[in-house]
Amino acid sequence: DQQVKQNSPSLSVQEGRISILNCDYTNSMFDYFLWYKKYPAEGPTFLISISSIKDKNEDGRFTVFLNKSAKHLSLHIVPSQPGDSAVYFCAATYDGQNFVFGPGTRLSVLP
Amino acid sequence: NAGVTQTPKFQVLKTGQSMTLQCAQDMNHNSMYWYRQDPGMGLRLIYYSASEGTTDKGEVPNGYNVSRLNKREFSLRLESAAPSQTSVYFCASSELGSLTDTQYFGPGTRLTVL
Repeated sequence: DQQVKQNSPSLSVQEGRISILNCDYTNSMFDYFLWYKKYPAEGPTFLISISSIKDKNEDGRFTVFLNKSAKHLSLHIVPSQPGDSAVYFCAATYDGQNFVFGPGTRLSVLP
Repeated sequence: NAGVTQTPKFQVLKTGQSMTLQCAQDMNHNSMYWYRQDPGMGLRLIYYSASEGTTDKGEVPNGYNVSRLNKREFSLRLESAAPSQTSVYFCASSELGSLTDTQYFGPGTRLTVL
């Protein structure tokens, strides 16, 4: 049973618009959540994170929202750029050692 | 400053063959990790090493062994490869392995077992 779910395998957005990527988790022990971006033939790179004591974290064009009661987090990218086209993974951990990743969402930003 | 490097980039094995995937980091990080990624699935943790001299099983350790050779290097060994181990393998490292640490990933090794 997947503990971290990303129910949208793919998402297409027009350049300049908002991209919203969603992630749901089942384990209430998770304390820290991260988003990674992955380009083809490369390893994932860290994008943004959020602690369970916060409900929002912002870094430039990227904002992550956490709703603990719903066990849901989302990544907002505003404005979306063609270079944002990649696979985005949501990940969660409770101890900083065991990380559980979602299956990923492929974002395509159309010019 | 190369970050996390992995060798080889690609490998084809026959069922029953053995091989070792190499990983090295030059960031003086304490913790290192091995993941596998299969189509339609997220990265799954195979083994991790919180610090030099320690290793622990992750979610999918069966069929693998690891060695933390020194602080820089963490290798993954397949003793008798099976087709189910066809995957892309990623090595990662983090400074302290604490809750808020960031993991840095290598470029991956694409392994096919025939």
